[in-house]
Amino acid sequence: NAGVMQNPRHLVRRRGQEARLRCSPMKGHSHVYWYRQLPEEGLKFMVYLQKENIIDESGMPKERFSAEFPKEGPSILRIQQVVRGDSAAYFCASSPTTQETQYFGPGTRLLVL
Amino acid sequence: DAKTTQPPSMDCAEGRAANLPCNHSTISGNEYVYWYRQIHSQGPQYIIHGLKNNETNEMASLIITEDRKSSTLILPHATLRDTAVYYCIVRVVSNQGGKLIFGQGTELSVKP
Repeated sequence: NAGVMQNPRHLVRRRGQEARLRCSPMKGHSHVYWYRQLPEEGLKFMVYLQKENIIDESGMPKERFSAEFPKEGPSILRIQQVVRGDSAAYFCASSPTTQETQYFGPGTRLLVL
Repeated sequence: DAKTTQPPSMDCAEGRAANLPCNHSTISGNEYVYWYRQIHSQGPQYIIHGLKNNETNEMASLIITEDRKSSTLILPHATLRDTAVYYCIVRVVSNQGGKLIFGQGTELSVKP
């Protein structure tokens, strides 16, 4: 049973470009969480999605950031017009239900030049 | 904000037990204690969780005090590969999900 998969593992963007980060949950998991870890800081919750629904986006920046988890395919975290402060590691986690344990992927390291 | 307090760092000799403490004095009755670790900026790895009873799995043991205000994660025979940041998290699950609120964790260094 494959774990949570994220791609790309590393992403380099210039200021003003768009970044798309993908997360494929574990098989049988329909709940996805996104977290961000800024350099030298702890992990911060961003958004929680179930298939086709955003349930909790209380940790998402109000502008430029969006997330989706379509019926088919991976969850996508999209960052428009990236700035240097968006450079961070972005982790997703999945669980089969709301109550059960979250398992994390390896992360995507975003570097904005 | 995180509802837990952990020492920022600890050392442990290889082969000895590592005992990592965590205070969560404001924990509520429906909140679980979860432990994750992060090895050198990899994705956090789930270790163990519990509500009020002590728990054990192939990785570790979790001892929760009777009043649930503190807990201890025990790695029975620490190896160099257990060097990591260990996070103790109090998690409440609701209809809005069960997001994890990470604190600063304990940086465990296992030394030969």
